[in-house]
Amino acid sequence: EVQVVESGGGLVQPGGSLRLSCAASGFTFSSHWMHWVRQAPGKGLVWVSRINLDGSSTTYADSVKGRFTISRDNAKNTLSLQMNSLRAEDTAVYYCAREAIFAAGMDVWGKGTTVTVSS
Amino acid sequence: SYELTQPPSVSVSPGQTASITCSGDKLGDKYACWYQQKPGQSPVLVIYQNRKRPSGIPERFSGSNSGNTATLTISGTQAMDEADYYCQAWDSSIWVFGGGTKLTVL
Repeated sequence: EVQVVESGGGLVQPGGSLRLSCAASGFTFSSHWMHWVRQAPGKGLVWVSRINLDGSSTTYADSVKGRFTISRDNAKNTLSLQMNSLRAEDTAVYYCAREAIFAAGMDVWGKGTTVTVSS
Repeated sequence: SYELTQPPSVSVSPGQTASITCSGDKLGDKYACWYQQKPGQSPVLVIYQNRKRPSGIPERFSGSNSGNTATLTISGTQAMDEADYYCQAWDSSIWVFGGGTKLTVL
C-alpha cells in the first residue's frame, strides 16, 4: 500500500524546536518530490516546504523561511522537517505529501501530526 | 507573493452542477490543482494539471483554467461531495493554496 506516515508532533513552548518525520512506503521514495503542508485549527491548507529528489534543492513559504529546514533520507525512505524558533502561529496539523509527477499536484497525503506551540 | 482567491462557500442542490472558482494573476498560464477535504480527513487530489483526474476520482469532477480563473465543476453533485475544496498552483517554485471553499449540498 502506498502511504506516508507522519510523526514527531507535540506540545512545545514558543521559541522551542521540534523535528517532524514522515515515513514513506509502498512506492519508490527517491522518485518523488515531497512537501510539507500545514493546517491551523479551523483554517485552510498552507504550503510549507518542498524538496527535490536528492535533497539538493529546497523551497519554503516566507512564513517559515530561515526557521524550518526540510530534508530527506532516500536510503531510509524518510522525509523530515526541522522546526526552530517556533511561534504560536505555527500551531497546526502538519501533513507530509507526495508530489505525483513533477508539478502535478500532491497525490498521497498522510494523516498528519499535530504541533501545538504554547506556554 | 502569489495569491489564489476562492469564494468561502458555494451551495448546490443534489443532482445539480456545482462550480467553484479560483482566481489568481495569469493563473491560466500555470497548472492548477484541486483538492477535496472532508471533516477530520486528509486532503484528496481530485484534479491536476487543470483538467486531469487521478485514478479513482469520479467523472463528475472536471476542471478548466483560462485567463485569471480556474474552475472546478462537479456535475450531478451528490451528498457525498459536500466538503471543503482547495485550489493550488505554483509560481516561481513557491506552491500556493487558495483559501478554500465549503461546498454545501442541500
